[in-house]
Amino acid sequence: KNEVEQSPQNLTAQEGEFITINCSYSVGISALHWLQQHPGGGIVSLFMLSSGKKKHGRLIATINIQEKHSSLHITASHPRDSAVYICAVNKLIFGTGTRLQVFP
Amino acid sequence: NAGVTQTPKFQVLKTGQSMTLQCAQDMNHEYMSWYRQDPGMGLRLIHYSVGAGITDQGEVPNGYNVSRSTTEDFPLRLLSAAPSQTSVYFCASAIAGGLADTQYFGPGTRLTVL
Repeated sequence: KNEVEQSPQNLTAQEGEFITINCSYSVGISALHWLQQHPGGGIVSLFMLSSGKKKHGRLIATINIQEKHSSLHITASHPRDSAVYICAVNKLIFGTGTRLQVFP
Repeated sequence: NAGVTQTPKFQVLKTGQSMTLQCAQDMNHEYMSWYRQDPGMGLRLIHYSVGAGITDQGEVPNGYNVSRSTTEDFPLRLLSAAPSQTSVYFCASAIAGGLADTQYFGPGTRLTVL
């Protein structure tokens, strides 16, 4: 069993929909990271959090330490949000990613 | 700042050949690392360095060597390429080796070993 599990593996949405991607982990963590991998392959860091909630634009990340669970939400999704979203913990143990496609 | 740069972008090798993947950063980051990304699997840590002159193994180090003679550069050497090393390789850097530091990724090198 992977130490970091993401769901769903694939997600399709219509533009404007509210998106939720989930991440569960089984190890103790100092920090949890959400990353975005563009269709061209580049990886950027979206959030790093160890408690509570963070918001950046239309993206919201939450973490529940007791339940060892984090969620990434995208409000008012847009086709440019189409990417693979990756959850990672510590230094760094990665989930396998969630492939999101948003259609106009 | 150029951030984290990697060369080459693409490479095809024959089994048994050796090569070096280059990685450089201009952010004066102490921590640098190499990952490989394979279909259906998450990124996996190959080697990492917490500063010049210091390197350590990650999850999948076999078949790879690294060195860190300067803060800026962290090359990854494939000693004798094997088809199992066909993958996309990412270099990343962070300010320090703390578990809660934001990582900055290079654009990746796509390697095919025939």
